[in-house]
Amino acid sequence: EAGVVQSPRYKIIEKKQPVAFWCNPISGHNTLYWYRQNLGQGPELLIRYENEEAVDDSQLPKDRFSAERLKGVDSTLKIQPAELGDSAVYLCASSPGAGGVSNEQFFGPGTRLTVL
Amino acid sequence: QQQVKQSPQSLIVQKGGISIINCAYENTAFDYFPWYQQFPGKGPALLIAIRPDVSEKKEGRFTISFNKSAKQFSLHIMDSQPGDSATYFCAASKTYNTDKLIFGTGTRLQVFP
Repeated sequence: EAGVVQSPRYKIIEKKQPVAFWCNPISGHNTLYWYRQNLGQGPELLIRYENEEAVDDSQLPKDRFSAERLKGVDSTLKIQPAELGDSAVYLCASSPGAGGVSNEQFFGPGTRLTVL
Repeated sequence: QQQVKQSPQSLIVQKGGISIINCAYENTAFDYFPWYQQFPGKGPALLIAIRPDVSEKKEGRFTISFNKSAKQFSLHIMDSQPGDSATYFCAASKTYNTDKLIFGTGTRLQVFP
């Protein structure tokens, strides 16, 4: 079974430019998460989706970040415009959702963003 | 109250030794405590997890010890191997099924032959 797929794996942009990250979760997983991992830190949640509904976006900087999960499957996270402080690894994770056996979240390899 | 504090920041162990990583939390609403392992360039992967109704859980060489009254939990890696060299994160969440994970700051483990 394929794991969580993310693209691109690496992205280098100049500040003020837009950037987008794509995530394809594990088939059948209803819950999708976007986390940001700063260097030397643990991941921090940006947004959580239950199917196509964003149920927790309290940590998403909404002035510059946006996300969508059309049809409750793939998701895109966008930053516009990017700032130097946005340099980090952006991780997508998925889990079976409510009614699942546990809260095991399966992580993708992440997109490493460098803002120059 | 949302924080999970993890120590040490880094750990060097000889092959065959025991690696111990500790975490502490404040929020008594946390109900699920997993440990994730992360290799460079990879996403975190679940290693072992525990719920607060048990004090210990063992899977192979990995054991979680949980102290509910002290609000602390720890990961013990027995017979540490060079292949265990990675960054380990403790985490906690409030809901068993889908809630966000609150991660610790990570421990970089190096196991030397």
